[in-house]
Amino acid sequence: NAGVTQTPKFRILKIGQSMTLQCTQDMNHNYMYWYRQDPGMGLKLIYYSVGAGITDKGEVPNGYNVSRSTTEDFPLRLELAAPSQTSVYFCASSYSTFGGRGKAFFGQGTRLTVV
Amino acid sequence: TQLLEQSPQFLSIQEGENLTVYCNSSSVFSSLQWYRQEPGEGPVLLVTVVTGGEVKKLKRLTFQFGDARKDSSLHITAAQPGDTGLYLCAFPGRGQNFVFGPGTRLSVLP
Repeated sequence: NAGVTQTPKFRILKIGQSMTLQCTQDMNHNYMYWYRQDPGMGLKLIYYSVGAGITDKGEVPNGYNVSRSTTEDFPLRLELAAPSQTSVYFCASSYSTFGGRGKAFFGQGTRLTVV
Repeated sequence: TQLLEQSPQFLSIQEGENLTVYCNSSSVFSSLQWYRQEPGEGPVLLVTVVTGGEVKKLKRLTFQFGDARKDSSLHITAAQPGDTGLYLCAFPGRGQNFVFGPGTRLSVLP
């Protein structure tokens, strides 16, 4: 039972490089989310999607882009990496929204360091 | 802007002790969730509370939603090292997403 799978688990980037964080879920969930977690902090929403082809910005979208071409996949793109993007990134999915008593399932995270 | 505060920020206790952590806001919520995040893992949902005054129990964990639905508490009885982790509360945000508090980092020492 895979759930939410994120790759890679760890990555070191140089300033100005780009990369894509991969996220896939096998639960047929419509809702998917990208959060970042800085040391000692909670989770901040970067982008979310309510279904294939539909995405929207969260609290901290600057420097990131997303796409949702399929129900299963929700990649997060970092363009021109900056040290401020050093963080742990979590992808999550849910069957319904919070208001619908939704439960968020999280991946194991991608630990990104920008040097 | 709705904000969640959690207290204490850090808590270190001995195995067998009891503890309570809190989640507070000035806003009223339709529901609230508690998650636990173990080191190196993503958060895992523990409970959802939806009714003011509601109490839910999960083995040694007791969750309460405040009568006014602005706050919640998590009480752990006879804490064990396996309870170590970051405890996050979350509420429904705008745009169908989950908004998380900063968390309480609990360390239970054997």
